Amino acid sequence: KQEVTQIPAALSVPEGENLVLNCSFTDSAIYNLQWFRQDPGKGLTSLLLIQSSQREQTSGRLNASLDKSSGRSTLYIAASQPGDSATYLCAVTGGAGNMLTFGGGTRLMVKP
Amino acid sequence: GAGVSQSPSNKVTEKGKDVELRCDPISGHTALYWYRQSLGQGLEFLIYFQGNSAPDKSGLPSDRFSAERTGGSVSTLTIQRTQQEDSAVYLCASSWSGPPSEQYFGPGTRLTVT
Repeated sequence: KQEVTQIPAALSVPEGENLVLNCSFTDSAIYNLQWFRQDPGKGLTSLLLIQSSQREQTSGRLNASLDKSSGRSTLYIAASQPGDSATYLCAVTGGAGNMLTFGGGTRLMVKP
Repeated sequence: GAGVSQSPSNKVTEKGKDVELRCDPISGHTALYWYRQSLGQGLEFLIYFQGNSAPDKSGLPSDRFSAERTGGSVSTLTIQRTQQEDSAVYLCASSWSGPPSEQYFGPGTRLTVT
């Protein structure tokens, strides 16, 4: 059974810092990995999708990497802003079925 | 274009009552997923529809839960004889096809069972 772990569970940083969020998964037989953002009381917004054959994806200040063989992904946020404050979730598709298996999330607070 | 929509946004019901939750996927998306987000369990998969294929129901927690998708578009998740542990946010997602396509999520329905 696929298990996804995110470290740290919570993170507080001052505005302007670069930061890294970590995600690990136990079964390397994945189709893809997605990073999501969730604001309080809201649904999930997809940030980046990395296919299993890719090593990284970039969107603006966000960069996600994937090392499938070691079961790890990182989300790098450059020059953090207070508006980046949210919960960040990683999820993988593949393995036992077609569903997304989610990590527990990292709750990020960026202080002005 | 329009994203995934869900209704109602909030639902409060008494224990033992039945509830129906609705999901309108993005037009043209053939795959539709239901997930549940609760405090104790995080985000977990419930059921997956792909085109006209039989749905993958492997995530449904009990036989009180069922879902259907009419005309390959709108989906309804039904919970019979609701229990307090059913309280959660129910999220719907859709994608162009099955994996490895990107899934797009709706805003969710917050269900509270009193």
